[in-house]
Amino acid sequence: GPKVLQIPSHQIIDMGQMVTLNCDPVSNHLYFYWYKQILGQQMEFLVNFYNGKVMEKSKLFKDQFSVERPDGSYFTLKIQPTALEDSAVYFCASSFSNSDYTFGSGTRLLVI
Amino acid sequence: QQQVRQSPQSLTVWEGETAILNCSYEDSTFDYFPWYHQFPGESPALLIAIRPVSNKKEDGRFTIFFNKREKKFSLHIADSQPGDSATYFCAASGPGNTGKLIFGLGTTLQVQP
Repeated sequence: GPKVLQIPSHQIIDMGQMVTLNCDPVSNHLYFYWYKQILGQQMEFLVNFYNGKVMEKSKLFKDQFSVERPDGSYFTLKIQPTALEDSAVYFCASSFSNSDYTFGSGTRLLVI
Repeated sequence: QQQVRQSPQSLTVWEGETAILNCSYEDSTFDYFPWYHQFPGESPALLIAIRPVSNKKEDGRFTIFFNKREKKFSLHIADSQPGDSATYFCAASGPGNTGKLIFGLGTTLQVQP
């Protein structure tokens, strides 16, 4: 079926540096999401995005986080500056309606 | 406060048995309840989902039972196969139609041949 692609699959970055996680959603999907999963734990909602705007964000979505989807290209999550506790797997998802997500394969971020 | 509770944390069944995974939720306005499975190193994949208009939904060997009054729902995997071994997450959609999913902590299922 249609896939959500995430680039890169792995990223190691020094604490304090900026990182951008890229997501190429399913082409006709309208809703976009980022989730954070620490190893062995559940996925936690970060933010969702629709019609060019953030609809809702959780308390995990710190001021250092930002999302955008310029001109219908990649849906990006930027963290600036990164902190050690940002190490996790970040999953992007998209959906046509606000249910039945398709998840990407995740970006494994390690902040050192 | 965990809004979606999932049990057991881990479950081992023999091939051919029915595995039963349980979830409960707090917010009575939740209106969408999916189950995802996740294999190690892979992304979660939607398995089956239900809305409160129904109390049961079947898809092949997978059945969701839903109890609105008790705010519980369960996933039954009939005739379990070793290939079903994975982590299963239940979830619920938050109110307000934003599509935000609140996940349970997951059940690691092991099906022994």
